[in-house]
Amino acid sequence: DTGVSQNPRHKITKRGQNVTFRCDPISEHNRLYWYRQTLGQGPEFLTYFQNEAQLEKSRLLSDRFSAERPKGSFSTLEIQRTEQGDSAMYLCASSLGTQPRTDTQYFGPGTRLTVL
Amino acid sequence: GDSVTQMEGPVTLSEEAFLTINCTYTATGYPSLFWYVQYPGEGLQLLLKATKADDKGSNKGFEATYRKETTSFHLEKGSVQVSDSAVYFCALRNVWGAQKLVFGQGTRLTINP
Repeated sequence: DTGVSQNPRHKITKRGQNVTFRCDPISEHNRLYWYRQTLGQGPEFLTYFQNEAQLEKSRLLSDRFSAERPKGSFSTLEIQRTEQGDSAMYLCASSLGTQPRTDTQYFGPGTRLTVL
Repeated sequence: GDSVTQMEGPVTLSEEAFLTINCTYTATGYPSLFWYVQYPGEGLQLLLKATKADDKGSNKGFEATYRKETTSFHLEKGSVQVSDSAVYFCALRNVWGAQKLVFGQGTRLTINP
């Protein structure tokens, strides 16, 4: 299977702890996106990378959040000092990024974070 | 800012019924439009897309037409099956900058046999 993969699939942590999620995009996809989805809502954009460069961050991404994409391959999303409000599904998506109008984002299965 | 408004759910239908899920959008530019589906326990999957006005996207018996004049992209299917039970998300994506997806809140569809 060469789709987008995310690890772990589930993470339970205590408030105040740090957590890190990983996303492996589809091979050769230049763009990588992170979204957050809370219960009963649609996904909301957090940040995106063009190759290794992080080019836009949402206001939703507080100082406790940081994302990296070293060498333009996999990406990590770290949340420091987690809060109960961080509980959500964190989704990763990737796309080729070559044709703006037809470009399609493919999503991974997500990492469900529960902060106790 | 850009936004997507979907018909509120949940929606419950009998098998073989006709389905319409309404979607309207507000965008600063000329976006591409998408429907994604999320089956129970699975990730988001692209269902169909349309990239310019009057385009019709179709897949698995579902259709949606990009209506620029009414800023709408309603999802339709002529005869639904139990296996269509899922959450459906309408989304837009502008073609500059981050090209991020902006999603509606989702519509949960349940099909009864």
